[in-house]
Amino acid sequence: DQQVKQNSPSLSVQEGRISILNCDYTNSMFDYFLWYKKYPAEGPTFLISISSIKDKNEDGRFTVFLNKSAKHLSLHIVPSQPGDSAVYFCAASAGGSQGNLIFGKGTKLSVKP
Amino acid sequence: DVKVTQSSRYLVKRTGEKVFLECVQDMDHENMFWYRQDPGLGLRLIYFSYDVKMKEKGDIPEGYSVSREKKERFSLILESASTNQTSMYLCASTPGPNSNQPQHFGDGTRLSIL
Repeated sequence: DQQVKQNSPSLSVQEGRISILNCDYTNSMFDYFLWYKKYPAEGPTFLISISSIKDKNEDGRFTVFLNKSAKHLSLHIVPSQPGDSAVYFCAASAGGSQGNLIFGKGTKLSVKP
Repeated sequence: DVKVTQSSRYLVKRTGEKVFLECVQDMDHENMFWYRQDPGLGLRLIYFSYDVKMKEKGDIPEGYSVSREKKERFSLILESASTNQTSMYLCASTPGPNSNQPQHFGDGTRLSIL
C-alpha cells in the first residue's frame, strides 16, 4: 500500500520552461513534506520542504505547493535548466522534520537544451 | 556543513557472506537511518536509530541487522547476503528533537551480491 505516490515515472521539459512534478499521499497524519533531488551514483540532496500548516514555500527557482484537502503536493521549477535533470523524490513524515520519511518512487526529469 | 560518510562507494560480495556497511556522521546527530534504493521502488527504510544502542525496524528489515555502539556510527549488517540484496544502500542522519533540519544523506554504497 503506497502512502506516497509519484504517478509520473518521467518528465521531459524544454530549457527555460516550467517543470511541474506531482505527488499524492494517502495518510492524513503526514505533517511535513520534502522534495529531494538525486543524481546517479550520488545520495539524495534535500531541495525544499513544507509543513502542513502552510500551502506554499518558495526558494529561488523552486516552489512547493501543498493542497491538504486533495492530499496533493507539487514542485515547480522555473525556469528549468539542464542541470536540473535528475530523479526527484517526494517524501512525507508524520513526525515533523525529524520523523521517519516515506518516499515516493521518484520522477526522472529531463531538461532539454 | 553536515557530512555523512559511507565507507565504500562500491562493494562486491558473494552469496552467504556476512556484509558490513558503515556510516559515520560528524555533526553529533541523534537520528540515523538506513535505506535501500531500487529502480522503480524509490527509497525504502530498513532500520533507524534515535540514540546510541537503540534500533528500530523500518519497512523492510528482513535479512538485515544494525549496530549503533557510538553516536556517530551506524552499521548495517547483512547476516547472510543473498542476490536480492543487490541494491544501492543509503545512510542518512538528522539532529533530533528541537531541530528542523531535514535528513541528510551520504553518497551511497552500491552493493552487488554474486
